[in-house]
Amino acid sequence: AQKVTQAQTEISVVEKEDVTLDCVYETRDTTYYLFWYKQPPSGELVFLIRRNSFDEQNEISGRYSWNFQKSTSSFNFTITASQVVDSAVYFCALRAPYNQGGKLIFGQGTELSVKP
Amino acid sequence: NAGVTQTPKFQVLKTGQSMTLQCAQDMNHEYMSWYRQDPGMGLRLIHYSVGAGITDQGEVPNGYNVSRSTTEDFPLRLLSAAPSQTSVYFCASSLAGGDQETQYFGPGTRLLVL
Repeated sequence: AQKVTQAQTEISVVEKEDVTLDCVYETRDTTYYLFWYKQPPSGELVFLIRRNSFDEQNEISGRYSWNFQKSTSSFNFTITASQVVDSAVYFCALRAPYNQGGKLIFGQGTELSVKP
Repeated sequence: NAGVTQTPKFQVLKTGQSMTLQCAQDMNHEYMSWYRQDPGMGLRLIHYSVGAGITDQGEVPNGYNVSRSTTEDFPLRLLSAAPSQTSVYFCASSLAGGDQETQYFGPGTRLLVL
């Protein structure tokens, strides 16, 4: 069965601190795709990144970076020099294959609070 | 290009009433889906569609109906609302149903059933 675990329910940091959000996944598929979404206080779900299982290069986008490690089944997300606007709930997700409905399997989310 | 749109943004229903949550996308996406988000339960799939005329059940389909007569629209119907259906509902779409495709979400509909 496929599963995504985000063990950190809530994280609180002070502005300009670096913060890492953990994501551990389980799947028996050899090829799979992982995603991160952001849900700010306004409530919408915003797509951040997609990563496939055969590309283990780290991804950097501005202050955001992602570390994918197949050996530990982890796909962690780091925000460098956090800002108040980064305050949100962040979801890690694994997408099921087409023959299993193609649904997104979400972790429980990590609520990040960045204080000024 | 509006992406995925949902109406209404907020709705209050009485137990037993029916209503339809609207979802539309203008990206020519084949795959559309409905999720509900509840505290402590995360996001759970209600129904999905891989193309016009084709729908299937997700994890929590009871109490909900869907149809897909066009590529653009995927309405979700509550036939007889119950308090357990109080939730935030998200519609999502992707180019196709393959796991490599990114799903994009609408802004959500907050539903309160009294």
